[in-house]
Amino acid sequence: AQRVTQPEKLLSVFKGAPVELKCNYSYSGSPELFWYVQYSRQRLQLLLRHISRESIKGFTADLNKGETSFHLKKPFAQEEDSAMYYCALGSSASKIIFGSGTRLSIRP
Amino acid sequence: GAGVSQTPSNKVTEKGKYVELRCDPISGHTALYWYRQSLGQGPEFLIYFQGTGAADDSGLPNDRFFAVRPEGSVSTLKIQRTERGDSAVYLCASSSTGGAYTEAFFGQGTRLTVV
Repeated sequence: AQRVTQPEKLLSVFKGAPVELKCNYSYSGSPELFWYVQYSRQRLQLLLRHISRESIKGFTADLNKGETSFHLKKPFAQEEDSAMYYCALGSSASKIIFGSGTRLSIRP
Repeated sequence: GAGVSQTPSNKVTEKGKYVELRCDPISGHTALYWYRQSLGQGPEFLIYFQGTGAADDSGLPNDRFFAVRPEGSVSTLKIQRTERGDSAVYLCASSSTGGAYTEAFFGQGTRLTVV
């Protein structure tokens, strides 16, 4: 079965500290992983995707097939990073499955 | 329009009533998705359209839920005999071609409250 697990509902870190949002997935095929973000009062939007191998707003994520993980990382948190973050899995059937989300709170 | 538009933004209805939720995707996008998001949860997949046809409706919870996209553009999610458990934010998203590798653009959602 396809599943995305985000074990932390809330992550609170100080400004300037490193951030790691955890994501584990379960999928028998070749996965496509995404991170979506929802800032306060804004709509859900794509942050980055595995296939692009890019860094967006200082965030990176590496797909680890051995550990079936796609953790989101940023070396130095900024206050504007406070938001809900959703890890998502794209399947061959074209639907996208989302995790339950992690609220990231950056303390000044 | 510039993005995916959903109407209404809020809907309050009585238990047992019928509701329709509308989604206007980005012009030219062939793929359209409906999701439901309950409080404290991530978006839950309901149905995916490619053009006019439902390519995957495996997420519809029961036969009270139905969605159409007759001309391959605007889509309507229909809920019959609403129940209090249907209360949630209903999200619509579209993408240029669909598939696992294309970005989905989301609307602002319709908050449905069944009283």
